[in-house]
Amino acid sequence: AQSVTQLDSQVPVFEEAPVELRCNYSSSVSVYLFWYVQYPNQGLQLLLKYLSGSTLVKGINGFEAEFNKSQTSFHLRKPSVHISDTAEYFCAVTTRTGGGNKLTFGTGTQLKVEL
Amino acid sequence: DTAVSQTPKYLVTQMGNDKSIKCEQNLGHDTMYWYKQDSKKFLKIMFSYNNKELIINETVPNRFSPKSPDKAHLNLHINSLELGDSAVYFCASSQDRGHEQFFGPGTRLTVL
Repeated sequence: AQSVTQLDSQVPVFEEAPVELRCNYSSSVSVYLFWYVQYPNQGLQLLLKYLSGSTLVKGINGFEAEFNKSQTSFHLRKPSVHISDTAEYFCAVTTRTGGGNKLTFGTGTQLKVEL
Repeated sequence: DTAVSQTPKYLVTQMGNDKSIKCEQNLGHDTMYWYKQDSKKFLKIMFSYNNKELIINETVPNRFSPKSPDKAHLNLHINSLELGDSAVYFCASSQDRGHEQFFGPGTRLTVL
């Protein structure tokens, strides 16, 4: 079974500052990794995904993440945040199994961008 | 051109009632999912269907019964609603058990 840990439940940051949201995972097999964003009262939107290949993955809205297999991490970064980035961010992991494609989510990180 | 849609968006009901939530996707995907997000925003998968066949069934009370009339629809029926069922329920879909899941806007269920 796989699991995801997002240690930071809340991350306050000033506008135009850089931010890193941390994600660590645990799995006995190869994984696929995702970051989703949830704006207030909305569904989840995919920011970026790592399936294979280059460990640095670029996503929408200027976000990027780096897959580090040795540290079992997939931290999300943005060099300069905007007020509109205020949202809940979820890291998720899945493995390809014969039974389907179950996403296991972390507990989420609330990013609050302040002026 | 909503990719994954859910109805209703809000559902308020009394304990003991039976209710259904509908989900439709127009992406041509053949795998659909139901997730539950609790009050602490924790997301957990409940069910998954592939081509109308149940492939994931997590530890969910049997008061919850998914139904997939065709691969574009996955409905969730809940019997004898309890206070603890209050949550936001998300439907999602993906291509052929693929990696990227597209989520609907959610249905906020409140049981009084």
